[in-house]
Amino acid sequence: TQTVSQSDAHVTVFEGDSVELRCNYSYGGSIYLSWYIQHHGRGLQFLLKYYSGNPVVQGVNGFEAEFSKSDSSFHLRKASVHWSDSAVYFCAVSPYQGGRALIFGTGTTVSVSP
Amino acid sequence: EAGVTQSPRYAVLQEGQAVSFWCDPISGHDTLYWYQQPRDQGPQLLVYFRDEAVIDNSQLPSDRFSAVRPKGTNSTLKIQSAKQGDTATYLCASSLQGAGNTLYFGEGSRLIVV
Repeated sequence: TQTVSQSDAHVTVFEGDSVELRCNYSYGGSIYLSWYIQHHGRGLQFLLKYYSGNPVVQGVNGFEAEFSKSDSSFHLRKASVHWSDSAVYFCAVSPYQGGRALIFGTGTTVSVSP
Repeated sequence: EAGVTQSPRYAVLQEGQAVSFWCDPISGHDTLYWYQQPRDQGPQLLVYFRDEAVIDNSQLPSDRFSAVRPKGTNSTLKIQSAKQGDTATYLCASSLQGAGNTLYFGEGSRLIVV
């Protein structure tokens, strides 16, 4: 059984600050890892994903994430946040084999103050 | 291209009443997912289809929930005899076949059961 853990429920940063959102997973096989963003009252939108190759993947709006097999992690980062980045961020995992659906973490709420 | 469309956006029910949610996926997407998202939690898979076939409904409470996708396009999720614990947002997503493919979400249907 695969699991996804997001240890920070809420993060508050100032506009222009950097932010890192943590994601750890548990699964023994090959997996896809991804991040999604959900603005208040809206559906989820895809940010980026990783399967293999360069462990640092670039996404939309300046987001990037780094995969670490040794730490079983896939942390999301942004160098300089904007007020519009205020949202809930979800890490997700799906096994490579079997075409199974995404399993989401509990989410991290990011609040950006002016 | 048009995104994933869901209706109704909101529903308020008394316990014991029934409700149906409808989803129109992105044209050409063969895989359709229904997720339940309780307030302040991550999306939890209920069921997903590939074309008209159910691939995984193991998390669907079969005594009161049902989902169909008869022609492999639109889908309906029905809740009979709703309970207060069903209060959540019901998210529909679609994708192309294959593990790790990006999911495209609708805006969700917010259900409140009083």
